[in-house]
Amino acid sequence: AQSVTQLDSQVPVFEEAPVELRCNYSSSVSVYLFWYVQYPNQGLQLLLKYLSGSTLVKGINGFEAEFNKSQTSFHLRKPSVHISDTAEYFCAVSKYSGGYQKVTFGTGTKLQVIP
Amino acid sequence: DADVTQTPRNRITKTGKRIMLECSQTKGHDRMYWYRQDPGLGLRLIYYSFDVKDINKGEISDGYSVSRQAQAKFSLSLESAIPNQTALYFCATSDSGQSNEKLFFGSGTQLSVL
Repeated sequence: AQSVTQLDSQVPVFEEAPVELRCNYSSSVSVYLFWYVQYPNQGLQLLLKYLSGSTLVKGINGFEAEFNKSQTSFHLRKPSVHISDTAEYFCAVSKYSGGYQKVTFGTGTKLQVIP
Repeated sequence: DADVTQTPRNRITKTGKRIMLECSQTKGHDRMYWYRQDPGLGLRLIYYSFDVKDINKGEISDGYSVSRQAQAKFSLSLESAIPNQTALYFCATSDSGQSNEKLFFGSGTQLSVL
């Protein structure tokens, strides 16, 4: 079985400060890793994904994430946040199981950017 | 226009009522999904469909049913709504079932069951 843990339910940060949103996963097989962002009153949209290759993945809006296999982590970072980054962020793992793409989402981290 | 459209955006209903949430997509994707989002629980899969003739239960299908009327349309029904079905519901699509495929989400339907 696969699972995703986002330890921080809320992260307040001042504008232009750096931020790290933590994600740890567990799986008995290789998985693909994703970060989705949900802006207020909107659906989720893909921020970035790790499939293979370089462990540092760059996404939209200046976000990046680093895959660490030994620590089973996929933390999301941004060096300088903006007010518009206020949203909820979901880490997810995906694997092919039983003929379909089984996606397991974390419980989400609400990023609140303070002016 | 949105690629994945959900209607209604908000719905308030009473316990015991039958409710249908609708989803349509213009992306031409074969695979469609219904998820439920609850605060602190993330998203959980209710049903998924590979094509018009293929419907599958997800992890929390009890109390729900679905209909895939066409490649572009996938409806979720609550036969007899109960208060713990109050949640934000999302429809999603993907181009294939491969693990590296991203999901495309609608804007969600907020359902409140009184």
